[in-house]
Amino acid sequence: GIQVEQSPPDLILQEGANSTLRCNFSDSVNNLQWFHQNPWGQLINLFYIPSGTKQNGRLSATTVATERYSLLYISSSQTTDSGVYFCAVREAAGNKLTFGGGTRVLVKP
Amino acid sequence: GAVVSQHPSRVICKSGTSVKIECRSLDFQATTMFWYRQFPKQSLMLMATSNEGSKATYEQGVEKDKFLINHASLTLSTLTVTSAHPEDSSFYICSARDPGGGWVHGYTFGSGTRLTVV
Repeated sequence: GIQVEQSPPDLILQEGANSTLRCNFSDSVNNLQWFHQNPWGQLINLFYIPSGTKQNGRLSATTVATERYSLLYISSSQTTDSGVYFCAVREAAGNKLTFGGGTRVLVKP
Repeated sequence: GAVVSQHPSRVICKSGTSVKIECRSLDFQATTMFWYRQFPKQSLMLMATSNEGSKATYEQGVEKDKFLINHASLTLSTLTVTSAHPEDSSFYICSARDPGGGWVHGYTFGSGTRLTVV
């Protein structure tokens, strides 16, 4: 099956800093989503981005499907950005999502 | 957008008993729903694909007789953990996609169920 790797596994930021999270995947995908899991476990859908670039407030994401990676940018980080960020992909053949290992982000005040 | 509701959010049960978790699509019909399990500080692992009106498809290594899935309607899938043991303690979360909404939002997830078996 498809392999999804996220880096870095852990990230500590000072409030106000910018950061980039990376997601690499091993095969062609029809779907790529970025999620934020809050401390209560809720998965918040940040972006559906199989290709191209999207922005939503302080967050933006870019997927380069031909090179099999996606990036999530967090600008002017806030303490509420803390949590785990997951990248998940759906293979070209199939309908299930495969998750990466996640990036655990801690934003310090 | 599509909303998936999951209940209960937390459950504590005694070893050997069974627990049922519900996953509902509130504003759309879902012929397919997915059940994931997440152990502490780990990623989400797909357990099974729930198919309305037919048998669920289980991932390799997941015991179908222990994790019973029923998808009897287009808006409800249930996961029953039978004869639960402490090692079944985990965070269970379901997801679905609104087929009528295209792929604009992708998959939506329920709020999850934290199961503790004592």
